[in-house]
Amino acid sequence: EPEVTQTPSHQVTQMGQEVILRCVPISNHLYFYWYRQILGQKVEFLVSFYNNEISEKSEIFDDQFSVERPDGSNFTLKIRSTKLEDSAMYFCASSDQDWSEAFFGQGTRLTVV
Amino acid sequence: RKEVEQDPGPFNVPEGATVAFNCTYSNSASQSFFWYRQDCRKEPKLLMSVYSSGNEDGRFTAQLNRASQYISLLIRDSKLSDSATYLCVVNGDTGRRALTFGSGTRLQVQP
Repeated sequence: EPEVTQTPSHQVTQMGQEVILRCVPISNHLYFYWYRQILGQKVEFLVSFYNNEISEKSEIFDDQFSVERPDGSNFTLKIRSTKLEDSAMYFCASSDQDWSEAFFGQGTRLTVV
Repeated sequence: RKEVEQDPGPFNVPEGATVAFNCTYSNSASQSFFWYRQDCRKEPKLLMSVYSSGNEDGRFTAQLNRASQYISLLIRDSKLSDSATYLCVVNGDTGRRALTFGSGTRLQVQP
């Protein structure tokens, strides 16, 4: 069964450092997303990406965040200068249609110290 | 403005019980509705889509009431493996096409 894969599963970084979280969406999917979940809180939308550009973003997705699809398979989230409050589980997701369900990767747990 | 609201629980039920979860959403223009399941520290997994006509998948029945902006999930004959957090998820609730998640309702099925 096709699945979304994310690497690394856990990343520890120092405050102020840049991190790149990587995702390989399901191969025939066209819509890609990043969500995050702070421990004990709900899943929050960050950004959606379609046709090589951002289609929507939330208030959380400020200038410190960027996304890229560098090749035909990877989808990355970069945080330029991490803050303590960026510590969370980051989920990548993909879907094959607009307005449809999304399938999630297993997540990257980011810990900023 | 409240978005997708759920009772956080926990719901503690014995094996074999029937349990119902409810959810309300705020934007009448929302288009698609889902229930996801999330195990502790894992990713959300799609349980089922929700349609106005109601839909059933084995022991699980989902219902949508667009007039009341209300979504429900019924689990019959609960199993220990049903213990998880159930997430009500809506497309378009905030005017955004991406999924908006409720905070989830935790279910603990006990032997």
